[in-house]
Amino acid sequence: ETGVTQTPRHLVMGMTNKKSLKCEQHLGHNAMYWYKQSAKKPLELMFVYSLEERVENNSVPSRFSPECPNSSHLFLHLHTLQPEDSALYLCASSQDARRELFFGEGSRLTVL
Amino acid sequence: DQQVKQNSPSLSVQEGRISILNCDYTNSMFDYFLWYKKYPAEGPTFLISISSIKDKNEDGRFTVFLNKSAKHLSLHIVPSQPGDSAVYFCAARSKGGSEKLVFGKGTKLTVNP
Repeated sequence: ETGVTQTPRHLVMGMTNKKSLKCEQHLGHNAMYWYKQSAKKPLELMFVYSLEERVENNSVPSRFSPECPNSSHLFLHLHTLQPEDSALYLCASSQDARRELFFGEGSRLTVL
Repeated sequence: DQQVKQNSPSLSVQEGRISILNCDYTNSMFDYFLWYKKYPAEGPTFLISISSIKDKNEDGRFTVFLNKSAKHLSLHIVPSQPGDSAVYFCAARSKGGSEKLVFGKGTKLTVNP
């Protein structure tokens, strides 16, 4: 069992829907991340939270809104997405911002 | 412009032989390199890393080599096993406290029995 859990594993939404992706880490880590993996593209960093403060927003459109209520939980709120936002969204955590990442299994998002 | 490049999208080797996965980078500020392995329907898992002060790091069947002058690193798996079949991602991090890992597109390794 992975120490980073993501729900839901699969999500299909329309362009006008509002949904959220959830991530929980059970490793006692201090940093959490959202990555996007699109077909035939490298993993792209979206957001980094360190000690519950956002330390990086990698030029992500405002239709993606992260929330980190505590060091164990990370959300990605989705609103008025586009079909090109369909991708695998991966959550990760690390002991601190310079250590290796531990990934969740990902949430496969399809926007119709 | 991609800073971390894995030019081979796929690689096929025979069980027991050596698998060599290659990665090139362009940013001379990278000082820490990692390899991740990803099975279908799972998230990437950390495999092995190397700091820029070293040129080799070994962990069991896995060895990573770093050639700083060529801005090239490689992952050697020997002997290769069918369970090693996965997508392998190379990643790099800059000096200076940046939290940002830059990933390559990945290489799909298939180890044939």
